[in-house]
Amino acid sequence: NAGVTQTPKFQVLKTGQSMTLQCAQDMNHNSMYWYRQDPGMGLRLIYYSASEGTTDKGEVPNGYNVSRLNKREFSLRLESAAPSQTSVYFCASSEGETQYFGPGTRLLVL
Amino acid sequence: AQSVTQLDSHVSVSEGTPVLLRCNYSSSYSPSLFWYVQHPNKGLQLLLKYTSAATLVKGINGFEAEFKKSETSFHLTKPSAHMSDAAEYFCVVSDPRGYNKLIFGAGTRLAVHP
Repeated sequence: NAGVTQTPKFQVLKTGQSMTLQCAQDMNHNSMYWYRQDPGMGLRLIYYSASEGTTDKGEVPNGYNVSRLNKREFSLRLESAAPSQTSVYFCASSEGETQYFGPGTRLLVL
Repeated sequence: AQSVTQLDSHVSVSEGTPVLLRCNYSSSYSPSLFWYVQHPNKGLQLLLKYTSAATLVKGINGFEAEFKKSETSFHLTKPSAHMSDAAEYFCVVSDPRGYNKLIFGAGTRLAVHP
């Protein structure tokens, strides 16, 4: 039982490049989330998926897209990366109120 | 609107002394409250949660928190700090409407000195 896994662990992009962050959970949870963590700001919700086939915007969705591929997988895509998207990205899943987090992806946009 | 304020951005204690991390919240609903811990370069781990049962909540690794509605506080405590407790701690409130949105405080970095 791996919980929530994320790939890659670390990525460097140039401005304007695109990439997809992958997230998978093996806890059979319906809900999944993407957050970004910036110094002194806690975590902020980018997008969430309440169930397979549905996605909704969170607090800071601009510049991102998501896909809920199936119940297990929820990906986050940056179509044209900007330096302001340099951050640590966390995926989480939940069944009810308690969310379980992955180890994070550290992204640097130059 | 719901919000969380962690009153200290940094706390430094000596090993073996008590830990107090302070958190105040604002909520229009009866909130669920959480403390998560993040060790360096790691993901977030749930320490404990309050969901309107007992006001004193015990968590992992000897931590506990007390929900005080009159003070809108949910402070995290531990009687005796260990070196392994050095980490960043987040106080979190859950919005019960819709999709269980979590609202995070800015975090408190705990340093533990020998």
